[in-house]
Amino acid sequence: EVQLLESGGGLVQPGGSLRLSCAASGFTFTYYAMNWVRQAPGKGLEWVSSISGSSDNTYYADSVKGRFTISRDNSKTTLYLQMKSLRAEDTAVYYCAKDVDYYGSGRGYFDFWGQGTLVTVSS
Amino acid sequence: DIQMTQSPSSLSASVGDRVTITCRASQNISSYLNWYQQKPGKAPNLLIYTASSLQSGVPSRFSGSGSATDFTLTISSLQREDFATYYCQQSYSTPPTFGGGTKVEIK
Repeated sequence: EVQLLESGGGLVQPGGSLRLSCAASGFTFTYYAMNWVRQAPGKGLEWVSSISGSSDNTYYADSVKGRFTISRDNSKTTLYLQMKSLRAEDTAVYYCAKDVDYYGSGRGYFDFWGQGTLVTVSS
Repeated sequence: DIQMTQSPSSLSASVGDRVTITCRASQNISSYLNWYQQKPGKAPNLLIYTASSLQSGVPSRFSGSGSATDFTLTISSLQREDFATYYCQQSYSTPPTFGGGTKVEIK
């Protein structure tokens, strides 16, 4: 059974940093790209970032480029999102999502999702 | 970026109704269109991929159709557990983008 378990969310002040983690199990982690997708309170879904199976390629939404860094540790089957210079508009539930594609170039879709972790940016 | 527009943004329907949700892409995306269901407080769940393929475990009352710029999600006979918000998503190019969602409510 595929399981994705996010952690690391919380309350942070504007300009602060936070690192999210997503522990994966139940599938061969290295075979698949992984993604972060967020959802602001009461709003729709927004793709944030993706990383290929071997970490060779990473992709970011323009809204987070230069502030967020996606990474993965295949030995620990864990996905990360390092978030810096956080803004109020980054407040959202952050989901990790497994891609059906190895490359994570936007040509895949998301067949398994974690339960999400809430990030609140406020003073 | 490719813009995805869903309609309607919300609808009211009764159990047993046939429900149709549409999604339009701002450019030709071939069949790279996927549908998700999201219930309150829960993560999205993949229903349909590449426009018309039913994800494993999803009831057959869900179906998808369309190509190029116009797509449809149909629920043939709405069940109580289908009341949720539905999102389309294009996987034609980076960044993957979602529609604004369609909330299906009980009439």
